[in-house]
Amino acid sequence: EAQVTQNPRYLITVTGKKLTVTCSQNMNHEYMSWYRQDPGLGLRQIYYSMNVEVTDKGDVPEGYKVSRKEKRNFPLILESPSPNQTSLYFCASSWTSGGYTQYFGPGTRLTVL
Amino acid sequence: DAKTTQPTSMDCAEGRAANLPCNHSTISGNEYVYWYRQIHSQGPQYIIHGLKNNETNEMASLIITEDRKSSTLILPHATLRDTAVYYCIVMDRDDKIIFGKGTRLHILP
Repeated sequence: EAQVTQNPRYLITVTGKKLTVTCSQNMNHEYMSWYRQDPGLGLRQIYYSMNVEVTDKGDVPEGYKVSRKEKRNFPLILESPSPNQTSLYFCASSWTSGGYTQYFGPGTRLTVL
Repeated sequence: DAKTTQPTSMDCAEGRAANLPCNHSTISGNEYVYWYRQIHSQGPQYIIHGLKNNETNEMASLIITEDRKSSTLILPHATLRDTAVYYCIVMDRDDKIIFGKGTRLHILP
C-alpha cells in the first residue's frame, strides 16, 4: 500500500531535549516536505527536499533541521525544542513539488513543555 | 495574497450532494485547480484536480466554469465520514502547494 509513515505519532518532551521525528515513504517519490499546523495559521511548510542530498528552507525553518540521505526517508530534527514548537507536524511526498498529488503522513502531535 | 476564496463553513444533509464552491478569479492559463480535504487532525488527502475540463473520480466531481474563474467540488452522496475541511488550491506544476483556510463541511445526520 502506498503510504507515508511518521514516528512517533505523539510526543511530549521538555525544552532543550533533542528529538527526531522520522518520515518514510514507499512510493519512490523524489519530493518530500515537512509542514506544521497550528490553530488559525493553517499548514505552513518547514523544509522540503527535491531529491537525495538536496534540501531547502520552507516558510518557517527556524529551529528545525532535516536531512535526506536516502530517497525514502526525510527526518525532522529539533536540536533544542522550545514551547513555541508545540504543534501538529505532517510529512508529505510527491513526484515533484507543487502540481503533483501530494501524499501526507498521519501526523505527529508534539508538545514541548 | 490568497489565490482562492471559499466559504468558511457549510452544512449538508447526509445522503445529499455536497457542492463546495471556490472562486479563483485571477487564475492563469497554466494553473490547475486542486482539491484536498483534511479530516480532523489527519493528514490532508488529495481529492481531485483539473485544468479546464470537468473531472470525475471515485471520490468526487470537479466542475470548472468556462472562464475558469470559479469551480465547484461535488460529493455526490455525502456521508458523515465526509465531514472535513476542504481546501481549494490553485497552482501550476512548478508552484509550491499553499493551503488556505478552506471550507469546514459539516454533514448532518
